[in-house]
Amino acid sequence: DIVMTQTPLSSPVTLGQPASISCRSSQSLVHSDGNTYLSWLQQRPGQPPRLLIYKISNRFSGVPDRFSGSGAGTDFTLKISRVEAEDVGVYYCMQATRPWTFGQGTKVEIK
Amino acid sequence: EVQLVESGGGLVQPGGSLRLSCAASGFTLRGYWMHWVRQAPGKGLVWVSRINSDGSSTSYADSVKGRFTISRDNAENTLYLQMNSLRAEDTAVYYCARSDAFDIWGQGTMVTVSS
Repeated sequence: DIVMTQTPLSSPVTLGQPASISCRSSQSLVHSDGNTYLSWLQQRPGQPPRLLIYKISNRFSGVPDRFSGSGAGTDFTLKISRVEAEDVGVYYCMQATRPWTFGQGTKVEIK
Repeated sequence: EVQLVESGGGLVQPGGSLRLSCAASGFTLRGYWMHWVRQAPGKGLVWVSRINSDGSSTSYADSVKGRFTISRDNAENTLYLQMNSLRAEDTAVYYCARSDAFDIWGQGTMVTVSS
């Protein structure tokens, strides 16, 4: 199975400042169809997960443009350009090569 | 509104069974692969099972293989997870999620396995 490793596991940030989360996969996520099925999910406290980013860098419907994804192959990054209070929660990367696997999660909190 | 609503969770003794349901509304279930994902208290997300759009193909995590069965009723717009031989380590919130993009999630249903 592909192992997804996120860093850091905790990220205290100041409101209005940027935040960055890294995700590394144990093998390349490039699919035979040429796509890379790497997504980012947000889970606010007490809420179910919510899709933010799919196929590395595509924002899902309704996701603010302060969220952006980048990367290729085995190394990926989620960036929040200016953290707002509503961004507090745990962020997961996930890959959609069977079996589907998630990173351990990165907790974003306000300093 | 596009949404998924899980039900069927509860307290069950080790070795017991439960059937979870996931009702879809605002879209037609038949067009999508569907997944179950679980989250133990205070822990991360773990993929459990997946079913293709017509129910002819299924996949399971090793930890539940042989004990859990995923199924669907497209006419009823509902996804199911039959859980047998439950263990304490199956205690978790169970979420259903739409498609390999995991673009829509339900609110989850709690399963507690304890004597």
